[in-house]
Amino acid sequence: QVQLQQSGPGLVKPSQTLSLTCAISGDSVSSNSAAWNWIRQSPSRGLEWLGRTYYRSTWYNDYAVSVRSRLTINPDTSKNHFSLQLNSVTPDDTAVYYCARDYGIANFDYWGQGTLVTVSS
Amino acid sequence: SYELTQPLSVSVALGQTARITCGGNNIGSKNVHWYQQKPGQAPVLVIYNNNNRPSGIPERFSGSNSGNTATLTISRAQAGDEADYYCQVWDSSTYVVFGGGTKLTVL
Repeated sequence: QVQLQQSGPGLVKPSQTLSLTCAISGDSVSSNSAAWNWIRQSPSRGLEWLGRTYYRSTWYNDYAVSVRSRLTINPDTSKNHFSLQLNSVTPDDTAVYYCARDYGIANFDYWGQGTLVTVSS
Repeated sequence: SYELTQPLSVSVALGQTARITCGGNNIGSKNVHWYQQKPGQAPVLVIYNNNNRPSGIPERFSGSNSGNTATLTISRAQAGDEADYYCQVWDSSTYVVFGGGTKLTVL
C-alpha cells in the first residue's frame, strides 16, 4: 500500500519561499513507472496541478506555466521523498497543497493528506 | 490552453442515477479521469481512462466519453456519494487539466 506523508509549515510570509516535503512509503521516488506530483487547491483556482518529478534512466521535471519561474520540485533518493519549493509567494498562493502519485497513465491514484499553507504577514 | 467545463451542482434523489458531465473540445480523443472529494479530505480516484474503476470503487460508478462530453454516472445514489466530483485529462501543451468540479447533492 502506497502512502504519502506531507510535512512543512502552514504559514509563510509574502515574498518568502514555501517549502513542503512528501515522504513516500510503499513505492520508490526512483520508480521507472511513477511520477511524483504537487497539486494545490483553493476556492479561487480549484484544483491546480503544479508540477512533477520522475525518473526514466535520468531525472525529469515538468512544471505548470503559471508557476514555472518560481517552482522547483526535487527528489531525494536517500530519504525516498520529494519536495516542493515555491519562491516569492503572495497571498494568491494560499491553498491546500497535495502531493500525489501518477502511475504512468496521467492520473493520480495516491494522494498525501494535504497541507493548508497560508501566505500572510 | 485546454479547458474542462463541469456544472456547478447536480442533485439526485436517493437511489436514483446521477450523471455529471465534463465538457471539452474533442474530449472523446482523450483519457478522462474522475475524482471524488469529500470535505476536508484529499480527492479519491473513482474512474480512470474513461470507464475503469480502481480497486475498491463500487460498480455503481461508471464513466463514458465521446465527442465533446465525458460523463460520470453514479447508479443507485447513496447519501455517502455526496461530494465534489472533478474530471481530469492530460493535455500535451498544458499537462494536467482539472475541471472546476461539481457538487453532488443526494436528496
